[in-house]
Amino acid sequence: ELKVEQNPLFLSMQEGKNYTIYCNYSTTSDRLYWYRQDPGKSLESLFVLLSNGAVKQEGRLMASLDTKARLSTLHITAAVHDLSATYFCAVVLYNNNDMRFGAGTRLTVKP
Amino acid sequence: EAQVTQNPRYLITVTGKKLTVTCSQNMNHEYMSWYRQDPGLGLRQIYYSMNVEVTDKGDVPEGYKVSRKEKRNFPLILESPSPNQTSLYFCASSLTGVREKLFFGSGTQLSVL
Repeated sequence: ELKVEQNPLFLSMQEGKNYTIYCNYSTTSDRLYWYRQDPGKSLESLFVLLSNGAVKQEGRLMASLDTKARLSTLHITAAVHDLSATYFCAVVLYNNNDMRFGAGTRLTVKP
Repeated sequence: EAQVTQNPRYLITVTGKKLTVTCSQNMNHEYMSWYRQDPGLGLRQIYYSMNVEVTDKGDVPEGYKVSRKEKRNFPLILESPSPNQTSLYFCASSLTGVREKLFFGSGTQLSVL
């Protein structure tokens, strides 16, 4: 069974600092998504990672995937208040239509 | 505008009173799905549909029903709601499945008293 563990679940950081959110999963996957959810809002797709070593970047967010370690990271560079949101990873089982979400990381960026 | 429309946005009801949450998409997507979101648990899939008249259980289907009579609509039915179904619900759709980008509705916050 595919299990997805995301940590930390809560993250409070100062503006300007860097931090990393981790997403570990238990079985072989060939596709991983990162989503953002603002309070009271729906989910917005940020990145899709398709292969080992894949790296995607947009603004202050960079996502990477290591399929051998079954690990994806979402790195935040020089955080700003606008990045405050909950971030989810979602892992698709290899060659399958089954997907599991992580529990989410609630990020708060303080001035 | 391409979108997934859910209604209602908020719903308060009492135990045992049947309710339906509607979901409609205008992108001609084959795949539609319902999730519930609970604190600390992320999103868990309730039911999904690969096409018209094709539906299947997700991880937490107990207490829910769905139907897919038309491609654009995928209503979620709670025949006899209970307090443990109090949750935030999301409908999502994609072209063919989770291997394509999912588009999410705005969510329905349900409270069952």
